[in-house]
Parts: sequence; C-alpha cells; structure tokens
Amino acid sequence: GQNIDQPTEMTATEGAIVQINCTYQTSGFNGLFWYQQHAGEAPTFLSYNVLDGLEEKGRFSSFLSRSKGYSYLLLKELQMKDSASYLCAVRADRGSTLGRLYFGRGTQLTVWP
Amino acid sequence: GAGVSQSPSNKVTEKGKDVELRCDPISGHTALYWYRQSLGQGLEFLIYFQGNSAPDKSGLPSDRFSAERTGGSVSTLTIQRTQQEDSAVYLCASSDWLPVDTEAFFGQGTRLTVV
Repeated sequence: GQNIDQPTEMTATEGAIVQINCTYQTSGFNGLFWYQQHAGEAPTFLSYNVLDGLEEKGRFSSFLSRSKGYSYLLLKELQMKDSASYLCAVRADRGSTLGRLYFGRGTQLTVWP
Repeated sequence: GAGVSQSPSNKVTEKGKDVELRCDPISGHTALYWYRQSLGQGLEFLIYFQGNSAPDKSGLPSDRFSAERTGGSVSTLTIQRTQQEDSAVYLCASSDWLPVDTEAFFGQGTRLTVV
C-alpha cells in the first residue's frame, strides 16, 4: 500500500523560514513532488526530487532521503502570498500503478504579518 | 492546447441525475489522472490512465462512477444517479511520461454541486 504523511497545519510569520515535512511508505518510488494549492485554485507544481539531496529553486528548496522515506519543503523569506496548502506526492514505479501519483492530504500554511 | 482544460467549470445537478465531466489534457501527454477534492480536504484519487495500459480504477468510490479516455486524449468522467456526497471539485491532471521526471499539470477543475 501507499502511505504519505504530512502535518495538517502550520503557521509562520512573514519573513521567516518554514519547513514542511513529508514521510512516505510506498511499494515503489520514482520521484517525489511538491505542489502548492491556493484556496479555490488548482494545484501548481513547485519541485521534484528523485535522487537524495537538496534541490533549490529561489525561495523554495526541497530535500529527499530515499532510505528514510522522508522529504521536506523549505520556504524562505515567507510572504503573505505563500499562505496555501502544500501537497506532497510520490510517483509509483511498479506494475499497473506505474507512473501514478499518490498525494498526501496537504499542509495548510498560514503566514501572518 | 496550452494547458489542461476541464468543462464545465461549474455544474449544479439534482440528486439522481447523471453528469458527465470532460477533461482535455495537454497534447501528447500519455498519463491522465482524475482526483476529487471536498472542501478543505486533500486530493482523493479516482482513476489513472497511462498510454494503452488498462486504467487503474482502484479509486472509484462506487459503480456509479466510470471514466473513459477516447483515442488516448480526451477523458470523460461519468457519475450516474448522483448523490449529495458526490459534491466536490473534480480535478483532472495530465503528464508526459518518460523514464525521467515530468510533473503533472492540473486543470482548474469542475465544481459539482448535487442538490
């Protein structure tokens, strides 16, 4: 089976740094994705990791440890517009589910002024 | 097209009626996903199409739900005899699939309200 866990809610202050964790247990692995979803909108792609280590894209970075089944999304210099739900997703690599994306329930981040 | 297109954007239907939701994926994308999202909830997987392989229907909540993908492109999600608990936003996503990373692109969704 597939199990992806992330905190339900987080709060932080404008200008601060926040780390959103994601742990996963899947029968196969072919990459981990982070998506951002503002209220009432569709999810949009943020980052992708398939190898261990840190991927940096501007204010956002994502880290992966395959041996630990663990990832985090790091948001720096938080802005009010970063208030959104952040979704962790794992891509399967086996059998009939090859390529399928499994999503966590999302972490609702609220940024306060 | 430039992105994933879903229609209609909003649908209000009476309990017991059938509805069809349409998804036009990005041209050339071989993978297509349907998810649904209730207010304040995460993404619930419904069905996954990948190329010519048999679709993964393991997420369909009941036999009232069905989906097809014609010609490897457009997909239709059909809900028969709608119930109030079917009310949600139905999201479609597509991705190319190679043995390397490609993200899924989401459409804006169809907001279904069953009254």
